[in-house]
Amino acid sequence: AQSVAQPEDQVNVAEGNPLTVKCTYSVSGNPYLFWYVQYPNRGLQFLLKYITGDNLVKGSYGFEAEFNKSQTSFHLKKPSALVSDSALYFCAVRDGGYNKLIFGAGTRLAVHP
Amino acid sequence: SAVISQKPSRDICQRGTSLTIQCQVDSQVTMMFWYRQQPGQSLTLIATANQGSEATYESGFVIDKFPISRPNLTFSTLTVSNMSPEDSSIYLCSVDASNYGYTFGSGTRLTVV
Repeated sequence: AQSVAQPEDQVNVAEGNPLTVKCTYSVSGNPYLFWYVQYPNRGLQFLLKYITGDNLVKGSYGFEAEFNKSQTSFHLKKPSALVSDSALYFCAVRDGGYNKLIFGAGTRLAVHP
Repeated sequence: SAVISQKPSRDICQRGTSLTIQCQVDSQVTMMFWYRQQPGQSLTLIATANQGSEATYESGFVIDKFPISRPNLTFSTLTVSNMSPEDSSIYLCSVDASNYGYTFGSGTRLTVV
C-alpha cells in the first residue's frame, strides 16, 4: 500500500534561516508526490509536485523539494524562512490505482522572528 | 487548475441532525474526492465520487452515514447524517482537474453540539 511518513510533528526555525520539512514515502511503482500547506481556518494550498523529470522541484512561495529515489524521500525546503511561512505542511502520495491522494500526518512549521 | 466553491464554510449543528455540504467545480471532472480532517489530525479520504455511479467508500466509512450525490461532472454533495460530537471536523472536497493538479475546496468546519 502507498504511504508517506512525516517524522517530525513540529519544526522550529528562525526567520531568515533555511528550513527543511521531511517526508519519506513507500510506494509500488513510480511515486507521484505532493506538498500542500494549510494556514489556520483555510483549505489546502498546493505547493509543488513531483511526477517525473528533475529531482529538484520548484514550487510556490519560494519552496522547493528534492526527490531522492535511493532514500525514498521528498523533503520540502526553503533557503530563507519567513514568519508568514508558519503553517501546517502535508506531504502526500498519489495512489495510482485509484487516483486518490494519501496524506502524511502533517508537520507544523513555526518560524520565529 | 480548477476552482472549487465549497459551502457552507462552517456550521454548528445539533446532534442527531444532518448537514449537506456542497462542492461546485468550474470545470468538468471525472472524480471528486471527499476528505475529513479531525481536530489536530491529517486528512482521511471518506469516498471517491464518480458521476453516474455509486461512490466508493474507504474502510471505516459507510454510505448510510455519509451519503454522496454526484448528479453531474461539476457538482457533488456530502451529507453527514445523524451527527454526533465525534463528527466535528473539517470536511474538504477535492478534484484532479488536469495533470495531477489536485485542488481542494476551502473546507467546511463542522461543530456538533
